[in-house]
Amino acid sequence: AQSVTQLGSHVSVSEGALVLLRCNYSSSVPPYLFWYVQYPNQGLQLLLKYTSAATLVKGINGFEAEFKKSETSFHLTKPSAHMSDAAEYFCAVKPVGGSQGNLIFGKGTKLSVKP
Amino acid sequence: NAGVTQTPKFQVLKTGQSMTLQCAQDMNHEYMSWYRQDPGMGLRLIHYSVGAGITDQGEVPNGYNVSRSTTEDFPLRLLSAAPSQTSVYFCASSYSTGTDTQYFGPGTRLTVL
Repeated sequence: AQSVTQLGSHVSVSEGALVLLRCNYSSSVPPYLFWYVQYPNQGLQLLLKYTSAATLVKGINGFEAEFKKSETSFHLTKPSAHMSDAAEYFCAVKPVGGSQGNLIFGKGTKLSVKP
Repeated sequence: NAGVTQTPKFQVLKTGQSMTLQCAQDMNHEYMSWYRQDPGMGLRLIHYSVGAGITDQGEVPNGYNVSRSTTEDFPLRLLSAAPSQTSVYFCASSYSTGTDTQYFGPGTRLTVL
């Protein structure tokens, strides 16, 4: 069965520092991959998605992620953290060709940004 | 265009009570789903629907029922609430089951005493 692992339940960075949130998937066939962000007391918002086109995907708010098949990874990065980036981030996968369209989520990484 | 709406935002129930969480979308999306979010667990799929009249179980369906009589609405019913169902519930929808973005509602925070 598909699964997704997010390394680190909490990540803390200083404002202006690089943000790196890790995501690995387990599947012999590369799935579709998504990153969602959840601000406090809100629903989830799509940051970016990989759908087997370009391996480097750019999203909203300056975030990007690179799909690496050899490493089964889809890590999320942002060159310079802002205070407003403090939120919880979820990586999710969806099997290619699946008829159900269900997302399988990782357990989330809470990002803190220190002034 | 309201997107995905959920009511109520907060609810407190006693063990054994029943209730319905409402979800509606105005984007003419075929695919709708319900997730529950628990600390350290991410989001887990409860039930989903690929169109009106079609529903199926997700990862954690026990204690919940759904129906889809219209494209717009996808209510989630708790038959006999238990403390283990204390959670935040999110409804989501997308145009299809492919790579289309899933849009999430603002959530319902449920506490079962």
